[in-house]
Amino acid sequence: AQTVTQSQPEMSVQEAETVTLSCTYDTSESDYYLFWYKQPPSRQMILVIRQEAYKQQNATENRFSVNFQKAAKSFSLKISDSQLGDAAMYFCAYGWDYGGATNKLIFGTGTLLAVQP
Amino acid sequence: DGGITQSPKYLFRKEGQNVTLSCEQNLNHDAMYWYRQDPGQGLRLIYYSQIVNDFQKGDIAEGYSVSREKKESFPLTVTSAQKNPTAFYLCASKARQGVVNEKLFFGSGTQLSVL
Repeated sequence: AQTVTQSQPEMSVQEAETVTLSCTYDTSESDYYLFWYKQPPSRQMILVIRQEAYKQQNATENRFSVNFQKAAKSFSLKISDSQLGDAAMYFCAYGWDYGGATNKLIFGTGTLLAVQP
Repeated sequence: DGGITQSPKYLFRKEGQNVTLSCEQNLNHDAMYWYRQDPGQGLRLIYYSQIVNDFQKGDIAEGYSVSREKKESFPLTVTSAQKNPTAFYLCASKARQGVVNEKLFFGSGTQLSVL
């Protein structure tokens, strides 16, 4: 069964510094997708970045980038130049198509990121 | 602005009572989802719907029911059979169910508590 593990329940970073959030997953699929979602104090989930497993190039969205290691089944999120507004719970998610038009997302347990001024 | 509206923001349920959580979207999305979020756990899928008048059970459907009579609306009923309903409930949608990497849009959630 597919699983997603976030081993860091909480992290802290100084404003303007860089922080990396870890995520590992387990799957026997070769074609899948990985996501990082952010949940700020408002509790509304927002997509931060996504990666297709067949792409070797790591995805980047402004200050957010990933380090995707397919063989190691690792998908970490790097936040550069951290800002106060980055403080949130971050969820790693794994998605795959398991037949027909059906697909699902499996979420990790989240990492709570605090940004210190 | 297009988006997903969930109501109410807070809901209290008495023992033996059914309650219904509202989810409305004006994004013209085909697929809609209900997730449950508990402290220290990730989101877990309750039900999803790919099209009007069709819905499928997710991983934790017991004690819940849904309907999809209109494309815009996907209400979730928490029945008295759900013995541990206290949780944060998130509704989501995306344009097409069949595309895995398509972005999910989320509502702002409903916190359900038992009196």
